[in-house]
Amino acid sequence: GESVGLHLPTLSVQEGDNSIINCAYSNSASDYFIWYKQESGKGPQFIIDIRSNMDKRQGQRVTVLLNKTVKHLSLQIAATQPGDSAVYFCAENGSGGGADGLTFGKGTHLIIQP
Amino acid sequence: NAGVTQTPKFRILKIGQSMTLQCTQDMNHNYMYWYRQDPGMGLKLIYYSVGAGITDKGEVPNGYNVSRSTTEDFPLRLELAAPSQTSVYFCASSQQVYEQYFGPGTRLTVT
Repeated sequence: GESVGLHLPTLSVQEGDNSIINCAYSNSASDYFIWYKQESGKGPQFIIDIRSNMDKRQGQRVTVLLNKTVKHLSLQIAATQPGDSAVYFCAENGSGGGADGLTFGKGTHLIIQP
Repeated sequence: NAGVTQTPKFRILKIGQSMTLQCTQDMNHNYMYWYRQDPGMGLKLIYYSVGAGITDKGEVPNGYNVSRSTTEDFPLRLELAAPSQTSVYFCASSQQVYEQYFGPGTRLTVT
């Protein structure tokens, strides 16, 4: 079946370095993608989204890149801070327009080394 | 605004017991969702609602029921709890379809 997945379950980076979290998707009908951050014991928190008519979108210290050719999504976090430690999920809208929620990947655990 | 609130935070059930997980949002969102998250996994959609009086099944609805009598509330009912329902349950709401706001979750253990 079609699914959203992540390349690496755990990513360890030095504080101050840039982090890149990757996500592969297989549903070519998806036209909307979101990155969520989930801290331990909390619900997912929206970080940034991107539509399929865009290649790049920037927020505060975060950038999302979308490569539709290879069905790849990435989240870049600049100057990683201890507060960035969390599990990061990518999600897609699956059938492309339905209200039946999002399809989530398994998540990447970002660990910040002091 | 409190956002999305969920009660209880934790619960232990015996097999065969029933319970209702409460979810309330104060953002006047039309869309509401229930997800479950198993350890080390992403979220799976159980049920969703596009407005008061309208509910629909998600990816994993078996063993659950929902209702949506008001815009604010979207309770999730477990009638006969089973160990396979041990999970963390998240409620979410959104005004647009996709930018969903999540509650803090309910950690349920069925033994």
